[in-house]
Amino acid sequence: GENVEQHPSTLSVQEGDSAVIKCTYSDSASNYFPWYKQELGKRPQLIIDIRSNVGEKKDQRIAVTLNKTAKHFSLHITETQPEDSAVYFCAATPQGGRDDKIIFGKGTRLHILP
Amino acid sequence: DTEVTQTPKHLVMGMTNKKSLKCEQHMGHRAMYWYKQKAKKPPELMFVYSYEKLSINESVPSRFSPECPNSSLLNLHLHALQPEDSALYLCASSQTLRQGSYNEQFFGPGTRLTVL
Repeated sequence: GENVEQHPSTLSVQEGDSAVIKCTYSDSASNYFPWYKQELGKRPQLIIDIRSNVGEKKDQRIAVTLNKTAKHFSLHITETQPEDSAVYFCAATPQGGRDDKIIFGKGTRLHILP
Repeated sequence: DTEVTQTPKHLVMGMTNKKSLKCEQHMGHRAMYWYKQKAKKPPELMFVYSYEKLSINESVPSRFSPECPNSSLLNLHLHALQPEDSALYLCASSQTLRQGSYNEQFFGPGTRLTVL
């Protein structure tokens, strides 16, 4: 089955600098890769996603890249702000299976330092 | 309506109590999920309902009993829980793979459960 590895587990970044979180997946048939942000005590919220037919997607300060050959995808946050402090989860959805489920990485706790 | 709602927000129960968690969505999604989330961990899948039928049970103990009365509602019935079951219980919904190719999941705010 699909396995998603996420690194680093914790990341501290100076406000204004960029943050990068990396994930790898094992199932080459996976075709959808969402990223969720979860603030303390709140629900996970989708912040960006990428589909297997696209290599890069950008939304304001957030971008995601996908390398299907290497089976890894990354989240890039530029010009970080205090409100970016949260836990970020990457995920992958295996295609072809009968299951309607996504596989989460273990999460990255991002701290934005003033 | 693009929200998933959950009630109650908080629940404290004893090990002999019976309680239920409720989840509702009106986005026409036909897949609904229950997750358990412990502090500093990712959501852990418990159950998936697809077209109101249980399609995935991730070996969850029988003290958790899911129910999907209709396409908009999902319940989780709790009985004889243990203190280690204390966690945030999240509901989510998505289109099914049959409805579309990508199942973006929308999460509810969760129920914070404490078992004494």
